[in-house]
Amino acid sequence: SAVISQKPSRDICQRGTSLTIQCQVDSQVTMMFWYRQQPGQSLTLIATANQGSEATYESGFVIDKFPISRPNLTFSTLTVSNMSPEDSSIYLCSVQGSYEQYFGPGTRLTVT
Amino acid sequence: DAKTTQPTSMDCAEGRAANLPCNHSTISGNEYVYWYRQIHSQGPQYIIHGLKNNETNEMASLIITEDRKSSTLILPHATLRDTAVYYCIVRVAYGGATNKLIFGTGTLLAVQP
Repeated sequence: SAVISQKPSRDICQRGTSLTIQCQVDSQVTMMFWYRQQPGQSLTLIATANQGSEATYESGFVIDKFPISRPNLTFSTLTVSNMSPEDSSIYLCSVQGSYEQYFGPGTRLTVT
Repeated sequence: DAKTTQPTSMDCAEGRAANLPCNHSTISGNEYVYWYRQIHSQGPQYIIHGLKNNETNEMASLIITEDRKSSTLILPHATLRDTAVYYCIVRVAYGGATNKLIFGTGTLLAVQP
């Protein structure tokens, strides 16, 4: 199994600013994923981040808005740029295990 | 888009078995059925997965129909702590971009005392 921590756990930000979310894993993993969960909704995949390559974004998500870094096999960051109230969501990182995915506790973001 | 259909919500009495159905009529031969659950304000938790045979682990049992077009997750003795949203997902077990999970709307299981 993998233990995942995220920072911050929650934040309240003003529109127009940016927030960087950190994801730390207790073991080396190749594939990491970033998800968004809007209030009352299911999870939506933002992008897949493999170490040593550019992140692959899902339809509707762009690098300028959600830049991702993956500097090593245990760490990744997701930045939510130029935030608007519509970005208020829980952001979760996830890693691929042998056959399942493990999820972090999430970062609850509120944009005012 | 999610390839599964689940009821929006279900109730279950504490101590009884909870049977959560899932339809996946377009599943491909190499796709597995995965179940995750999300307890309020937490990240999703893996429960179980299977290809064609029924599976059981310490958390639950997974019954897959012979034609693989539907499945049922069984929690044998539901407790209040099993109240959560349960997601049924089909995907290839491993291999590149197909590792990604596509979440549907899930079933909110409410275990009643």
